Amino acid sequence: KQEVTQIPAALSVPEGENLVLNCSFTDSAIYNLQWFRQDPGKGLTSLLLIQSSQREQTSGRLNASLDKSSGRSTLYIAASQPGDSATYLCAVWRYNFNKFYFGSGTKLNVKP
Amino acid sequence: NAGVTQTPKFQVLKTGQSMTLQCAQDMNHNSMYWYRQDPGMGLRLIYYSASEGTTDKGEVPNGYNVSRLNKREFSLRLESAAPSQTSVYFCASSEADGLDSGELFFGEGSRLTVL
Repeated sequence: KQEVTQIPAALSVPEGENLVLNCSFTDSAIYNLQWFRQDPGKGLTSLLLIQSSQREQTSGRLNASLDKSSGRSTLYIAASQPGDSATYLCAVWRYNFNKFYFGSGTKLNVKP
Repeated sequence: NAGVTQTPKFQVLKTGQSMTLQCAQDMNHNSMYWYRQDPGMGLRLIYYSASEGTTDKGEVPNGYNVSRLNKREFSLRLESAAPSQTSVYFCASSEADGLDSGELFFGEGSRLTVL
């Protein structure tokens, strides 16, 4: 069974700091990896999708990288803002199972 | 842009009652999913449908049934609700076709309380 781990479970940083969120997975035979953001009481919003042939994706202040050989992905947030406070989840997809496997998330708090 | 729409957003049931959660997507996606999210348990897959007319069990299917009515709609039914089914339910969809996942999109969630 695919295991997806996100460490740390919670993170608190001052505004303006650059930060890295980690996602690790046990089976390197994944196809795609996607990062999501979830605000309290809300659904999940897609941030970045890294497809099989890609190693990273960027959107604004966000950059996500994928290293299948080591079973790791990182989400880099530059110049963090209080509005970035949310829970960030990663999910991996294996084509032969047609399912997404989710990590339990990192709850980020950016202090003004 | 509607995306993935779930109804109802909130529901309170008594033990033993039945209800159906509705989900519809307007992105012409092949695959649709039902998840539940509980504190400390993360997102758990209940059922999924890889294409119209097919459904498969996920991690926690007991107590639930699903119907892929057409390509747009995927409903989740609780036949006899139990307090353990108190949760937030999310519907999601993607272009996944067995070879590629596509991007996964979520609805806003349905908050169910079973008394």
